[in-house]
Amino acid sequence: ETGVTQSPTHLIKTRGQQVTLRCSSQSGHNTVSWYQQALGQGPQFIFQYYREEENGRGNFPPRFSGLQFPNYSSELNVNALELDDSALYLCASSFLTSYNEQFFGPGTRLTVL
Amino acid sequence: AQSVTQPDIHITVSEGASLELRCNYSYGATPYLFWYVQSPGQGLQLLLKYFSGDTLVQGIKGFEAEFKRSQSSFNLRKPSVHWSDAAEYFCAVGERGSQGNLIFGKGTKLSVKP
Repeated sequence: ETGVTQSPTHLIKTRGQQVTLRCSSQSGHNTVSWYQQALGQGPQFIFQYYREEENGRGNFPPRFSGLQFPNYSSELNVNALELDDSALYLCASSFLTSYNEQFFGPGTRLTVL
Repeated sequence: AQSVTQPDIHITVSEGASLELRCNYSYGATPYLFWYVQSPGQGLQLLLKYFSGDTLVQGIKGFEAEFKRSQSSFNLRKPSVHWSDAAEYFCAVGERGSQGNLIFGKGTKLSVKP
């Protein structure tokens, strides 16, 4: 069974640029959620995708967007990067009806200069 | 609104000593409850979870947690800490019927003295 994988591991961007982060869900899972973890904080829910559609969203602006593909992999896109977007971005996969039990990938560390 | 409080930012224990990490939540009903562990530079690993039933749940690596409805708490315990347990621990709440929104506490960093 393959776990959740994310790419890239690290990324450095400058303010105003756009970034795309990728996630492959655990085998058999149909739902992907994305979280932002700022330094010294707990993860914060960005959004969730199920059947290629957004299925719930946290308190993040529209410049945070996503996609889910037929194979259940997912992308997180962030436009017009701001310094405060620097964080660890975590992807988690699950079954939609699995009582919120989510399995996390290792994350992508984004630094915005 | 739901919230999770982990009152201890940093705890240091001696190897072999017992451990208790505190977690309190605010939620109108019984939520789903989780403990995750995060090693430096890593993602989150699920230690244990509570959905319903027996309020004392066992997890991996010798951890256990007890759900106390009257205190809105879900404290994590381990009888004997190993040096490899040094990490950051996060308590999380999931809303029943929601579509996957986990709410996390700010975490407790555990250091282990030899």
